[in-house]
Amino acid sequence: DIQMTQSPSSLSASVGDRVTITCRASQSISKYLHWYQQRPGTAPKLLIYAASTLQSGVPSRFSGSGSGTDFSLTISSLQPEDFATYYCQQSFSSQGPWTFGQGTKVEI
Amino acid sequence: QVQLQESGPGLVKPSQTLSLTCTVSGGSINSGGYYWSWIRQPAGKGLEWIGRMYISGTTNYSPSLESRVTISVDTSKNQFSLKVTSVTAADTAVYYCVRARGSYYGYYFDYWGQGTLVTVSS
Repeated sequence: DIQMTQSPSSLSASVGDRVTITCRASQSISKYLHWYQQRPGTAPKLLIYAASTLQSGVPSRFSGSGSGTDFSLTISSLQPEDFATYYCQQSFSSQGPWTFGQGTKVEI
Repeated sequence: QVQLQESGPGLVKPSQTLSLTCTVSGGSINSGGYYWSWIRQPAGKGLEWIGRMYISGTTNYSPSLESRVTISVDTSKNQFSLKVTSVTAADTAVYYCVRARGSYYGYYFDYWGQGTLVTVSS
């Protein structure tokens, strides 16, 4: 299985801060990497797919980059509604399993 | 707008079978290009992919659950289902049904159900 490791596991930030979360794959996965946001008590929401493509309706302050084994999600100016947990997910394995990172909690 | 809704018992006894159904509205489950998946999340923990089904009937499961899991589809009801046999407390989690959409760079989860909590306890 392909293992996904996110860092940090949690971070503290303030409104207006620039925040970057990283995700590393245990083997090269090209750009088969997607990012989700999960607010407490709600289902995850797709933010970015294929490493850098912004999902429709997602604010432009979110951006993604990377390929191969190293990826990042950046929030350019943190807003109050962005305090949440973020997950990366790989779908490189054609037969599965599709795996998630352990999550990064963004706190005030 | 596609919507997914999980339904099923919220409490299952140890060693019994967990059964959940996902009803899809706003689109046909027969539409090609999508995998219909289940994902779970124990309280306070991360997301675990359980498995997926394509409308052709092809299924793939997480190796850690493969021996106990079955995903099936009922196209006449626009539903797909999950069964997990021989459950233990470790299967207690919020279960999400999810649509996976294909892109040049693989599949991503674009529509999620709200999730349903299943507790395994006697």
